[in-house]
Amino acid sequence: GNSVTQMEGPVTLSEEAFLTINCTYTATGYPSLFWYVQYPGEGLQLLLKATKADDKGSNKGFEATYRKETTSFHLEKGSVQVSDSAVYFCALLHYNQGGKLIFGQGTELSVKP
Amino acid sequence: GAVVSQHPSRVICKSGTSVKIECRSLDFQATTMFWYRQFPKKSLMLMATSNEGSKATYEQGVEKDKFLINHASLTLSTLTVTSAHPEDSSFYICSATGLGYNEQFFGPGTRLTVL
Repeated sequence: GNSVTQMEGPVTLSEEAFLTINCTYTATGYPSLFWYVQYPGEGLQLLLKATKADDKGSNKGFEATYRKETTSFHLEKGSVQVSDSAVYFCALLHYNQGGKLIFGQGTELSVKP
Repeated sequence: GAVVSQHPSRVICKSGTSVKIECRSLDFQATTMFWYRQFPKKSLMLMATSNEGSKATYEQGVEKDKFLINHASLTLSTLTVTSAHPEDSSFYICSATGLGYNEQFFGPGTRLTVL
């Protein structure tokens, strides 16, 4: 079945460091891929998405490219800020799942000043 | 953009009572709504999927008599936790999608604490 695997956290970085959070998926066909961010005590916010192979999603300095050959959708940011501290979830949506989102386990990011 | 609200944001109740949580789509018609439960430091666990006007489809292991879901209109779904117990304490999040959308829009969540 469809699944998503994220790198384990927590990840602790200094401000202005480079961020990579790995995400790989298992699915047949062409799912849509998402990164969501959850700040403490809040719901999920869509950070970026990509709907087909080689698409690059980007938002607020974050980027992720849909790589079908490696079944990956790694999240990157060139220079993190303290305000980026949150939990990040990779997810896929495949229509053979009735529109359900399949989430990775989440990666907690802590950015220190 | 598409906005989903939840009410209440926090609720504290006594063991044995029932609690209703509302999920509303504010600016679009939500043909499908999803209810999730999130434990501390954990990912979201899908509880059920509800299509407007139909009975909800529950995930394996979720008690449908315990967690009653109603989706009577295109803008409102409710989750009622019946005879709540301390182990039902959790963060409950809803999401919604509609025709023409290829993503889910999430509500801000409801923190339920059962004493």
